[in-house]
Amino acid sequence: GQSLEQPSEVTAVEGAIVQINCTYQTSGFYGLSWYQQHDGGAPTFLSYNGLDGLEETGRFSSFLSRSDSYGYLLLQELQMKDSASYFCAPVPSPSGNTGKLIFGQGTTLQVKP
Amino acid sequence: DAGVTQSPTHLIKTRGQQVTLRCSPKSGHDTVSWYQQALGQGPQFIFQYYEEEERQRGNFPDRFSGHQFPNYSSELNVNALLLGDSALYLCASSNREGPYGYTFGSGTRLTVV
Repeated sequence: GQSLEQPSEVTAVEGAIVQINCTYQTSGFYGLSWYQQHDGGAPTFLSYNGLDGLEETGRFSSFLSRSDSYGYLLLQELQMKDSASYFCAPVPSPSGNTGKLIFGQGTTLQVKP
Repeated sequence: DAGVTQSPTHLIKTRGQQVTLRCSPKSGHDTVSWYQQALGQGPQFIFQYYEEEERQRGNFPDRFSGHQFPNYSSELNVNALLLGDSALYLCASSNREGPYGYTFGSGTRLTVV
């Protein structure tokens, strides 16, 4: 079967650093992607790890360990606008752009002043 | 550059009716996927189209069908609507050749009464 686990909620204060973990059990995946979704809005692509290790994009970094079936999203210098839901999604194809994305229930991040 | 455009934004239908939702992909994208997102849940994959054919399908009944046109735009049709079909329907586009990343539209909020 396939399963994804993320914490349901995380709360942090402005300026802080927060890490959102993702563990998965899914066959035939080639990488791990992360999406952000503000309430009622469109999911927005944040990052993609096609290889093990850390990928950095501005204030956001993402990590993947295939051997541990584990990844995380690291958000630094938190801002109020970072309050949103965050989803990890295993990528099912080598090109990354075909096949279905499997989303878990996501992590709701609340940033407080 | 317009992103993914979906119409309508909101829709109210009566149980048993049929509905058609529309999606125009981002310029340069040739692949369209449809997702259903219930309140508080992650998006669930319905199906994916490219080259005007359904390439992969999620666990949705045959009441859900779709189409892709030569200009890459797509439609999602749902027949015999049930109350449980009330959800946000998201369209995501991508380019099979990369770079990695799906672009989501803001969705159609369907309410079945």
